[in-house]
Amino acid sequence: GAGVSQSPSNKVTEKGKDVELRCDPISGHTALYWYRQSLGQGLEFLIYFQGNSAPDKSGLPSDRFSAERTGGSVSTLTIQRTQQEDSAVYLCASSPRGGANQPQHFGDGTRLSIL
Amino acid sequence: DQQVKQNSPSLSVQEGRISILNCDYTNSMFDYFLWYKKYPAEGPTFLISISSIKDKNEDGRFTVFLNKSAKHLSLHIVPSQPGDSAVYFCAASTPGGTSYGKLTFGQGTILTVHP
Repeated sequence: GAGVSQSPSNKVTEKGKDVELRCDPISGHTALYWYRQSLGQGLEFLIYFQGNSAPDKSGLPSDRFSAERTGGSVSTLTIQRTQQEDSAVYLCASSPRGGANQPQHFGDGTRLSIL
Repeated sequence: DQQVKQNSPSLSVQEGRISILNCDYTNSMFDYFLWYKKYPAEGPTFLISISSIKDKNEDGRFTVFLNKSAKHLSLHIVPSQPGDSAVYFCAASTPGGTSYGKLTFGQGTILTVHP
């Protein structure tokens, strides 16, 4: 499809396990963002990629969270030793370039549930 | 701290009437504002935006007003339609050159338009 694709759409895992979330941005979009939405909250910024580099990782909540982007395209967000407070919807967005005047196109998210 | 606030968790409006969604912000460095609409189990979709150098931007049934001195913006939808029923998020961005676009989101307002 032409939109941002995220997988899996749902993930249920036990506390302490590692999880990997994938984002396929719109082809040609150089900017990629990860956000998460906890229950009843707005979207919280996690990390921003421009190409393969991440100029801003300031939103990653702990060192258990990491992300990479390869080939200027697919990105993976990894959460190690998951905790119950990591339960949320993780959303990926891309835009043609960085910058606020480039509206971000969102995927449908991965709903992560930690038991 | 919540830099972008949507103080009304929900709004109910009759079809054909005007819907007014409000948003307040505290960070005077924000210079670009956006509204996103979100249906259940889908990612947010961009609706309309406004730069801080303007006080109004209109796109069809949607108009965004910005009052910088009050640090307040609003989204007007007229006439409202049942298909407009969704969660509406206000978002803001700080200047960061052309290579940035990190968004700070409000908590969202659930709009219900009754036939």
